[in-house]
Amino acid sequence: GQQVMQIPQYQHVQEGEDFTTYCNSSTTLSNIQWYKQRPGGHPVFLIQLVKSGEVKKQKRLTFQFGEAKKNSSLHITATQTTDVGTYFCAVNFGNEKLTFGTGTRLTIIP
Amino acid sequence: ETGVTQSPTHLIKTRGQQVTLRCSSQSGHNTVSWYQQALGQGPQFIFQYYREEENGRGNFPPRFSGLQFPNYSSELNVNALELDDSALYLCASSSRVDTYYGYTFGSGTRLTVV
Repeated sequence: GQQVMQIPQYQHVQEGEDFTTYCNSSTTLSNIQWYKQRPGGHPVFLIQLVKSGEVKKQKRLTFQFGEAKKNSSLHITATQTTDVGTYFCAVNFGNEKLTFGTGTRLTIIP
Repeated sequence: ETGVTQSPTHLIKTRGQQVTLRCSSQSGHNTVSWYQQALGQGPQFIFQYYREEENGRGNFPPRFSGLQFPNYSSELNVNALELDDSALYLCASSSRVDTYYGYTFGSGTRLTVV
């Protein structure tokens, strides 16, 4: 079935370092969403990207949608301990279900 | 504005039993989706309900069924529980009219099948 691949699976960074997670699809996407799930918590919606080449920022977080609308990235500048969690991209392939990527688990080393 | 509420928060059942999980959607949302999240995995789509009708289903057997009520709240029923059904079950509500704000997830029900 249709799926999105997300890399890396795990990322350990020193506090203050940057972090990036990537989401890739073999098909062109109409839009892509990003969610954050804290340990023991539930996914929380961060943002939706719709336009080719779109770049959106939320404080230290930068979200990008590729020109071909087949990939996306989430970049966190100067990570903090509050950034710990798993970051998921999610895509609606037009069949009413939101398909989640495999997620990238971010661990911060103080 | 209330968020998504799920009950119960935790549940332990025996293999072969049946379970019903409940979800109250966020005010203004008319669509409810259910997800299963195994430990260390991403959420897997079970099905979605819109206007009290099932509107999309993932790769789950028929023993997973659901309902949506006129007030948009929803139930997930699982019959003949198996050990592999142990997971976090997440309910997410959304609006068909405005998808810009994504899905709002509840805190989930942690189901353990023994």
